[in-house]
Amino acid sequence: KAGVTQTPRYLIKTRGQQVTLSCSPISGHRSVSWYQQTPGQGLQFLFEYFSETQRNKGNFPGRFSGRQFSNSRSEMNVSTLELGDSALYLCASSLGRRSSGYTFGSGTRLTVV
Amino acid sequence: GESVGLHLPTLSVQEGDNSIINCAYSNSASDYFIWYKQESGKGPQFIIDIRSNMDKRQGQRVTVLLNKTVKHLSLQIAATQPGDSAVYFCAENRGGNQFYFGTGTSLTVIP
Repeated sequence: KAGVTQTPRYLIKTRGQQVTLSCSPISGHRSVSWYQQTPGQGLQFLFEYFSETQRNKGNFPGRFSGRQFSNSRSEMNVSTLELGDSALYLCASSLGRRSSGYTFGSGTRLTVV
Repeated sequence: GESVGLHLPTLSVQEGDNSIINCAYSNSASDYFIWYKQESGKGPQFIIDIRSNMDKRQGQRVTVLLNKTVKHLSLQIAATQPGDSAVYFCAENRGGNQFYFGTGTSLTVIP
């Protein structure tokens, strides 16, 4: 079966701009979680969407937002980009129960200059 | 503060030897743990999980040990192969579908 698809793979943006990242989960998976990965902080949870509703949210500023569509595809948006937002953004899909485990995509590498 | 950490940021082992990767957690409410492997340019990949009602769980060439008394996890990889070279993360769960990840241990297998 097809895996988790994240687009684009690489992105370069300027400070102050906004960006939208996309994630297509595995077919049948209704939960999509987003993580930010940086060398110093590791993987940090941004938020989880389940059946188009945000179910969990991490400790990130309101500049980070997301949404999920009826086909379970999810988008993540970051407004007013800062240099510190440079990171690998990972999307993970699952059936929604913690024991079902995540399947991660390969990520979107965002560089803010 | 609450944290999921790792004892060593890097580990080098000879091919064929056993590897042990350690992880400490500080939240006693965590009751479910997963080990992930991340290869360069890829997202983390599930290796093995363990619930807090277990002390040990075995998979193919991997074993996870959980010591709740000292809040410590370890991942043992038997007969380490070059393909095992990657960054390994432990992740803890305290309910819901949100996981807390450590910063990872980079494993290098020397041929």
